Amino acid sequence: AQSVSQHNHHVILSEAASLELGCNYSYGGTVNLFWYVQYPGQHLQLLLKYFSGDPLVKGIKGFEAEFIKSKFSFNLRKPSVQWSDTAEYFCAVRDLSGGSYIPTFGRGTSLIVHP
Amino acid sequence: DAGVTQSPTHLIKTRGQQVTLRCSPKSGHDTVSWYQQALGQGPQFIFQYYEEEERQRGNFPDRFSGHQFPNYSSELNVNALWLGDSALYLCASSLGTGNTGELFFGEGSRLTVL
Repeated sequence: AQSVSQHNHHVILSEAASLELGCNYSYGGTVNLFWYVQYPGQHLQLLLKYFSGDPLVKGIKGFEAEFIKSKFSFNLRKPSVQWSDTAEYFCAVRDLSGGSYIPTFGRGTSLIVHP
Repeated sequence: DAGVTQSPTHLIKTRGQQVTLRCSPKSGHDTVSWYQQALGQGPQFIFQYYEEEERQRGNFPDRFSGHQFPNYSSELNVNALWLGDSALYLCASSLGTGNTGELFFGEGSRLTVL
C-alpha cells in the first residue's frame, strides 16, 4: 500500500514569505493526489487535487501544487502567505492500481504564519 | 446545504468501555468513511460504508465495527476501549465508492480513554 511522507512537520513563516510544503508517495502507478487543509477549529477541507493532465494544479486561496511523476512528489506552494493561512496541511494519495479508491494521508504539516 | 455532522463532539470513557459515534453525511452523499486521527498524525482509514454494507476496511481490529442506515447516516462502534483508542474520529462522506478521493469531512468526535 502507498505511504505518504510530509517531511516538514512544523513550518513558521512571516506574512508575505513564500511557502513550499513537501509531499512524496512511495511508489509509482496511476495515482490521484490531494492537499487538504484544516484551519483552527474547522473541519478538513479540500485545497486542490490532481487527477490527470496539466501537472501544475491551482487550488483555492492562491495555492498551487506540482505533480512530478519521476520524483513521486506533489509539493504545495504559495508565493506569498497570509496570517489566515495558519493551518494544518495534509497531503493524500489515492492509488488507482489496487482498485480500492481509498486515499492515504500523510501526517500533516503545521503552518504558522506570523503577521 | 448541511455538511457532515458528527456527534458527540467530545467524550470521555474508561478502559474496557464501549463507545458509539454518529455521523450524518452531506446532503446527497451515500457513502461514509471513518478515519482515526491520533495526535500529531494524519487520518487513518478505518472503514467505508455504502448501501448499508462495509465495503472496505483498513488495518483496524474487529473491536471497531460500524453500521449504515437507510438514510445513509452511520455509526462507528468501538468495544473494549484502551488508552490507544484516544483520538479524533472523523467521518467523511462522498457520492459513490469510486470517488472517495473527494471527501467532505465532519469536525470529528474527540474520544479520550482514561
